[in-house]
Amino acid sequence: KAGVTQTPRYLIKTRGQQVTLSCSPISGHRSVSWYQQTPGQGLQFLFEYFSETQRNKGNFPGRFSGRQFSNSRSEMNVSTLELGDSALYLCASSQGSRVSSYEQYFGPGTRLTVT
Amino acid sequence: AQSVTQLGSHVSVSEGALVLLRCNYSSSVPPYLFWYVQYPNQGLQLLLKYTSAATLVKGINGFEAEFKKSETSFHLTKPSAHMSDAAEYFCAVSDSPTGNQFYFGTGTSLTVIP
Repeated sequence: KAGVTQTPRYLIKTRGQQVTLSCSPISGHRSVSWYQQTPGQGLQFLFEYFSETQRNKGNFPGRFSGRQFSNSRSEMNVSTLELGDSALYLCASSQGSRVSSYEQYFGPGTRLTVT
Repeated sequence: AQSVTQLGSHVSVSEGALVLLRCNYSSSVPPYLFWYVQYPNQGLQLLLKYTSAATLVKGINGFEAEFKKSETSFHLTKPSAHMSDAAEYFCAVSDSPTGNQFYFGTGTSLTVIP
């Protein structure tokens, strides 16, 4: 079974631009979560989507948004990029419907650099 | 709010020695606890999880963790360290019965000395 894939793996953007990151979950997984990982703040939860609906949301500004498609693939968008948005963005998928299946499988991440 | 504290951002052990990585959690409800490992330039891999079954949880690669409610701890151990264990380890807590909202610790970097 293929793992979680994220595209692109690396991105360089300029302040003020916007960016869209993509995540394809493991086949059959309906939950997709997004995390931001930085050396200073560690891993921070952005949001989770389940069956095309945002089910949980972390404490990030509205510049960070996401969506999930009917095939469970998810995208996250960051608008008006700031230098502080430079980070590794990780996507994780899980079956999502039962606590016992809350094993999250992480993708390799997208490294975003904002200059 | 839930939170996780990992004591020691860097831990060094000799090859063959005991590995002990500490994790304390704060949760107002029975938590679900996890340990993940991250190798350089990779995503996170689940080592083990506690979801209110047995308090001693065995994971992959010889790791195990014990849930101690009285101490609000979920420390990760491995009897004998291998060079391949060198990585970043994250403890995480989730208390959401309706979704995956995980709170991660700041991570512990494990160095294994030959």
